[in-house]
Amino acid sequence: ETGVTQTPRHLVMGMTNKKSLKCEQHLGHNAMYWYKQSAKKPLELMFVYNFKEQTENNSVPSRFSPECPNSSHLFLHLHTLQPEDSALYLCASRERDAGEEKLFFGSGTQLSVL
Amino acid sequence: GNSVTQMEGPVTLSEEAFLTINCTYTATGYPSLFWYVQYPGEGLQLLLKATKADDKGSNKGFEATYRKETTSFHLEKGSVQVSDSAVYFCALRTGGSYIPTFGRGTSLIVHP
Repeated sequence: ETGVTQTPRHLVMGMTNKKSLKCEQHLGHNAMYWYKQSAKKPLELMFVYNFKEQTENNSVPSRFSPECPNSSHLFLHLHTLQPEDSALYLCASRERDAGEEKLFFGSGTQLSVL
Repeated sequence: GNSVTQMEGPVTLSEEAFLTINCTYTATGYPSLFWYVQYPGEGLQLLLKATKADDKGSNKGFEATYRKETTSFHLEKGSVQVSDSAVYFCALRTGGSYIPTFGRGTSLIVHP
């Protein structure tokens, strides 16, 4: 248990649906990340939030819309997705300890787009 | 830019066998290097790290040595267990960036 909780664990949606992924941490971390994990590909960074401000957007299509209302919660709103968006979506929070950072990952949401 | 290359998996071993998972990198500047592990159904967890050349990171019987001359950070374990079955990710971070670059991951399957 890493202290980062993601819901739902599994999600199946049609291309016209709108859904949201949720990530929550109460570790006192101020930075949170969304990653996409596809089979046989490196982890792809999507977004980074630092003190609720978006600091990285890795050229992610607008059908993915992040929201960070506070340092403990991060959402990823999904709409009109494509089948190639099917993947495991991982949330992480960052701890900075003695000048070195460490990421704590949630278990992910396995998304299937039909 | 930064990149990490890992050996293709899956790596299949019998219990108590010796493990090596190769990792090489390209980076601007002097990176910190990491190994993360992802057990089935879970997120990634930091396994070990090394922050400068010739440093050895170690944890849970796993080791990796930061080799600047060969730009490598190979993961080793002398005797694997079934519970080590997981996906292992090599990663690096440079300078002031708090965004690690990950490799593709290498799946390890250990049979009894």
